[in-house]
Amino acid sequence: QSVVTQPPSASGTPGQRVTISCSGSSSNIGSNTVNWYQQLPGTAPKLLIYSNNQRPSGVPDRFSGSKSGTSASLAISGLQSEDEADYYCAVWDDSLNGGVFGTGTKVTVL
Amino acid sequence: EVQLLESGGGLVQPGGSLRLSCAASGFTFSTFAMTWVRQAPGKGLEWVSAISGSSDSTSYADSVKGRFTISRDNSKNTLYLRMNSLRAEDTAVYYCAKDWACDNWGQGTLVTVSS
Repeated sequence: QSVVTQPPSASGTPGQRVTISCSGSSSNIGSNTVNWYQQLPGTAPKLLIYSNNQRPSGVPDRFSGSKSGTSASLAISGLQSEDEADYYCAVWDDSLNGGVFGTGTKVTVL
Repeated sequence: EVQLLESGGGLVQPGGSLRLSCAASGFTFSTFAMTWVRQAPGKGLEWVSAISGSSDSTSYADSVKGRFTISRDNSKNTLYLRMNSLRAEDTAVYYCAKDWACDNWGQGTLVTVSS
């Protein structure tokens, strides 16, 4: 079981805004930056957000990230059918001296 | 363009060993840390291990510590993961990724531990 937790699922209709939470502790999210990854069905993960709120080139600005205390969030605005995927947060944990992925959230577009 | 190509996966019996490789291209390999991440069938991502660009720093998940060894050959632009004492629960697709932030990923190689 991961020390960083996410809701197992989230959903919305096209055009809606969906938010995914990522909850950790002082040894991980509370002291390090958070990255977010998107994994489309049958493919390798892709970096979506780094350093809490930065988008790599090519990632649409519909995706945004934030962090406060020991929690982080990923928001998808203007939800599109191609956003249907699994989303994971990830962060370094100082106590474990290693990386940790969140439990993952499956986003469904209704 | 960054490219990462894993190889070395396959079927191995419990207690056996395997060495995974990740051939990198499209960036200055020696200046970036590299990471291994795995995903068991139908499960989430699990961080496995990481190594600094100069190999002076390595880290491991508790689940593999003492059994897996990460290494790299900067002259060959290749990352390795030596896996010993394999268990059924090590069955997964193993991905290599660039940097601590995993900003680029390979397509993965499947490791199946079964008798």
